[in-house]
Formats: sequence, C-alpha cells, structure tokens
Amino acid sequence: GQQVMQIPQYQHVQEGEDFTTYCNSSTTLSNIQWYKQRPGGHPVFLIQLVKSGEVKKQKRLTFQFGEAKKNSSLHITATQTTDVGTYFCAGPVTGGTSYGKLTFGQGTILTVHP
Amino acid sequence: DVKVTQSSRYLVKRTGEKVFLECVQDMDHENMFWYRQDPGLGLRLIYFSYDVKMKEKGDIPEGYSVSREKKERFSLILESASTNQTSMYLCASSLLWGGRFSNQPQHFGDGTRLSIL
Repeated sequence: GQQVMQIPQYQHVQEGEDFTTYCNSSTTLSNIQWYKQRPGGHPVFLIQLVKSGEVKKQKRLTFQFGEAKKNSSLHITATQTTDVGTYFCAGPVTGGTSYGKLTFGQGTILTVHP
Repeated sequence: DVKVTQSSRYLVKRTGEKVFLECVQDMDHENMFWYRQDPGLGLRLIYFSYDVKMKEKGDIPEGYSVSREKKERFSLILESASTNQTSMYLCASSLLWGGRFSNQPQHFGDGTRLSIL
C-alpha cells in the first residue's frame, strides 16, 4: 500500500541552528500537507503544497514539493525554542472512497536546546 | 474557529471492558476520522466516515468499531479492550472536498490518552 516515509525520526539542535525534515512517498502525490504537534498538544495544519516544484514560506519555515511530486521537505531557519514539537507530512490516499483521507509520515521530533 | 472536542483527555479501563471514545465537531464537516498515535509510528487511521451512518475501515481497524448517528458526532468503540490498545487516540474532522488536486486540512481534537490495565 501507499507509504509516506519521513526522516529523521529525531533531531536535536541548538537554538539558532537550522533544521530540515524530509518526506518521501512511494507514490506520486496530488498534494502534500504539513502539520505541527507541540508537546502535549494535537497536530495543527501548517500548509498544503499542490504544484510540482512548489516552494512556500511562512516566516522562518520553508516548504518544498519535489518536481516529481513524490517528496517534500520542511526547513526551519534559525530555530527557536517555540519550534519544538513533532512535524508530520501527510499525503492523500488514492483510490476508492478516499477523498479526505491522508497517510501520515512517522513524524520528526524536533528538540531545540537553548 | 473549528472545534473538535473529545470527551476525555485521560481514561483508564480494564482488559475486556467495552470502551467508548466520543468526538464532536462544531463546523458541519462531512469527514471524521479516528487515529491512534504511538511513538515512532506516527498517526495511523483506524476508521473514517464521510457521512452519517457511513464508515470505512482504515489501516488498523481490528478490535475497533465506530458509530456515526449524527453528522457532528463520531464514536470509537473498543469492543473488548486489550493492553495493546493502550495509546493516544486522536479524532479529526475535515470538509469533504478540497478541489481536484487539493485536500481540505484536518482539524484535530486534543486527544484521549487511554490506558488499558
């Protein structure tokens, strides 16, 4: 079945360092979504990428969607302690009554040391 | 703002009990989802519903059932709880359609941390 793999599983950085998490799908995706889950919280939608090669920025966060639409990345510039949490990518499930269903990656747990 | 409310933040039950987890959303969303979250495994879909009384199995439906009698409420049922069902359970909702190539974002509740003893 469809798989969405995310690496690394854990990342520890010093405050001010950059951080990147990568997402790879076994199938071509029509779009990809990114979510952030703060410690003790629930996943919160960050962004959706739809176009091949698309790049979107949200302040210090840069999201990219690969040309083949099978991979994506999230890059955080100059991390802050508020960036701590788990970052998930998610791609739509295809086939059948799949509308709205997502396959989530395993997530990358980011720790930022002050 | 979308509000997804799960009935309990923490729940402790015994092996063999029938357990009900309730979820209510206030935004008239067609889609509702139940996930379980375990360390290193991400979010795994248990069941999905796109309309009242409609349900579909997700990736890990064994040992679970669901009920959607009203559009705003989606219940997860553990028929006979077992220790391997100890986990964090997350409910989510979304609009049905996002367009031809896009999906609607999912909105999550705060989760229920369920312990089966």
